[in-house]
Amino acid sequence: NAGVTQTPKFRVLKTGQSMTLLCAQDMNHEYMYWYRQDPGMGLRLIHYSVGEGTTAKGEVPDGYNVSRLKKQNFLLGLESAAPSQTSVYFCASRKRAGELFFGEGSRLTVL
Amino acid sequence: AQKITQTQPGMFVQEKEAVTLDCTYDTSDQSYGLFWYKQPSSGEMIFLIYQGSYDEQNATEGRYSLNFQKARKSANLVISASQLGDSAMYFCAMREGAGNQFYFGTGTSLTVIP
Repeated sequence: NAGVTQTPKFRVLKTGQSMTLLCAQDMNHEYMYWYRQDPGMGLRLIHYSVGEGTTAKGEVPDGYNVSRLKKQNFLLGLESAAPSQTSVYFCASRKRAGELFFGEGSRLTVL
Repeated sequence: AQKITQTQPGMFVQEKEAVTLDCTYDTSDQSYGLFWYKQPSSGEMIFLIYQGSYDEQNATEGRYSLNFQKARKSANLVISASQLGDSAMYFCAMREGAGNQFYFGTGTSLTVIP
């Protein structure tokens, strides 16, 4: 039962480097989300997608880009990483109605 | 304004006792959904319970129940007969009407004492 899978689980970057986080879900869910979790701030929505080929901005989209070329995948890109982007990133997906299913998280450190 | 407010950063409860984790929400929609998630120290987010705004009965799932007070805009999570494995962060969340975004609170850290 894979569910929602995030890769990589851990990554260390230097300021200015770029990287992509991959989220894959095998539940045929329409909706996919990227959140970041920082101490004391709960989960904040970065971007989300309501279907293949569509994306939308969430609460904290600056410095991130996303793509949903295939229904099962949702990519989160950092073009020029900054220390403020050090965080734990969670991908989630859902059907039309119902709860979010989360991946295990990806811990990113930007030095 | 915060959509979801969790005012208890940390809570302690004796094993086998019940505990209530507070959550208040802010919305002008008539239709919305309220969710609770558990995040153990291992980091994964585990869905616990859901309450719809039109549900007349409080939601229950095993030892978890949601004390839904619509007029007060509160959706408190009640855990009965606490177990050591209940020690975790707990997050309240809301999705409004036909909206796509889920709003999360800042969480409550629960520690169960043997």
